[in-house]
Amino acid sequence: DTGVSQDPRHKITKRGQNVTFRCDPISEHNRLYWYRQTLGQGPEFLTYFQNEAQLEKSRLLSDRFSAERPKGSFSTLEIQRTEQGDSAMYLCASSLGASVQETQYFGPGTRLLVL
Amino acid sequence: EDQVTQSPEALRLQEGESSSLNCSYTVSGLRGLFWYRQDPGKGPEFLFTLYSAGEEKEKERLKATLTKKESFLHITAPKPEDSATYLCAVLRMDSSYKLIFGSGTRLLVRP
Repeated sequence: DTGVSQDPRHKITKRGQNVTFRCDPISEHNRLYWYRQTLGQGPEFLTYFQNEAQLEKSRLLSDRFSAERPKGSFSTLEIQRTEQGDSAMYLCASSLGASVQETQYFGPGTRLLVL
Repeated sequence: EDQVTQSPEALRLQEGESSSLNCSYTVSGLRGLFWYRQDPGKGPEFLFTLYSAGEEKEKERLKATLTKKESFLHITAPKPEDSATYLCAVLRMDSSYKLIFGSGTRLLVRP
């Protein structure tokens, strides 16, 4: 069963360092989403791709954050000059891209700790 | 402002003790309401999608219902393995594809 995969699963970094996360969506899924989740809260939307086009970005996605999906398959989320407030679980989801009401399937997440 | 509120925040049940979780929402038009289950340290796992008031869906011990203002997740005769956080999310009736999540209900089922 090839669900959404994310790498790494855990990342510890020092404040000021850059980090990059990777997401591989379910095969043939055209839409890919990034969310952030802090302890005790539900996931918050960050950004969304339709194939390689980034179509929606949240106000949460500051200029230190950048996401790419260069070939419409895997995606990367980079955080530059990390801050302690960036510590969270970063979740990736994908959906087929066939309807506006379709289900988003989530990966296991990347847990980031900024010291 | 769009808002999704889940109650209770936490719920402790004895095995076999049925109960309901609530998700109330305020959005400018509902395209769909989604229920997910999340185990500690893992990503949300999809359970149900509901699209219109009056709709019901069932899966094993879980049953989800939808009204114009809220959704309920009924758990019948729960087992310890049902212990998890249950998340509710809505999709608005506009061009956005972002899910708006509630904070979840942490369910603990004791044997």
